[in-house]
Amino acid sequence: GENVEQHPSTLSVQEGDSAVIKCTYSDSASNYFPWYKQELGKRPQLIIDIRSNVGEKKDQRIAVTLNKTAKHFSLHITETQPEDSAVYFCAASPGNNDMRFGAGTRLTVKP
Amino acid sequence: DTGVSQDPRHKITKRGQNVTFRCDPISEHNRLYWYRQTLGQGPEFLTYFQNEAQLEKSRLLSDRFSAERPKGSFSTLEIQRTEQGDSAMYLCASSSASVYNEQFFGPGTRLTVL
Repeated sequence: GENVEQHPSTLSVQEGDSAVIKCTYSDSASNYFPWYKQELGKRPQLIIDIRSNVGEKKDQRIAVTLNKTAKHFSLHITETQPEDSAVYFCAASPGNNDMRFGAGTRLTVKP
Repeated sequence: DTGVSQDPRHKITKRGQNVTFRCDPISEHNRLYWYRQTLGQGPEFLTYFQNEAQLEKSRLLSDRFSAERPKGSFSTLEIQRTEQGDSAMYLCASSSASVYNEQFFGPGTRLTVL
C-alpha cells in the first residue's frame, strides 16, 4: 500500500518569509496529491492539490510542485502571515481508492 | 450547510460500552470515507464506501468496528466494547465519482473512552 512521509514535523518562520514542506510517496500508481490545512480543533481543509499530469500549480501565495520520477511533492507558502499557522498534511491517492496522509507539519509564523 | 456533517461532535463513554457515529456526506457525493485521527498524527484510513458498497477496509478496523451505508447516503460507524485506545477523533469525508479523489471532511466526532 501507499506510504507517505512528510518533513519537517515542525517549522517556525518569521512573518513574510517562505515556508516549504516536503513529502515523499511510495506507490507509483498515486495520481492525486492534495494538501490540507488543519487548525486546532477544526476539520482538515483542502487548500490546494496537484494531479499527476502536471508538475506545478500555484494559487496566490501557495504553490505545489510534483516530481513523479522521484516520487516527491512539496508545498510552498510565500509571504507567510500569522494566520497561516496551523498543521499542514500532505496526502497521496491512487485515484478511486483510499488516501494516505503524512504525519503533518506544525507551521508557526511569528509576527 | 451543504458540507459534510457528523453527529455527535463529542462522545464520552465508559470502557466496554458500544458507540455509534453518523456521517452525512455532501449530497451529490457517492464516495464516503472514515478516518481516525489521534493527537499529532495525520488522519488514518479506516474504510471506504462507493454508494452502499463497502469497498475497502484497513487492518486498523478490528472486528469491534463496523461501518454501514445502507442507502448509499449517510453512513454509521459503530465501535463495540470500546477500549481506551479507541479514544480519537473520527473523521468522515466524501468525494464525487471522478478520476481524482478530492475529499471534503466533516468536523469529526471526538471519542473519549474512560
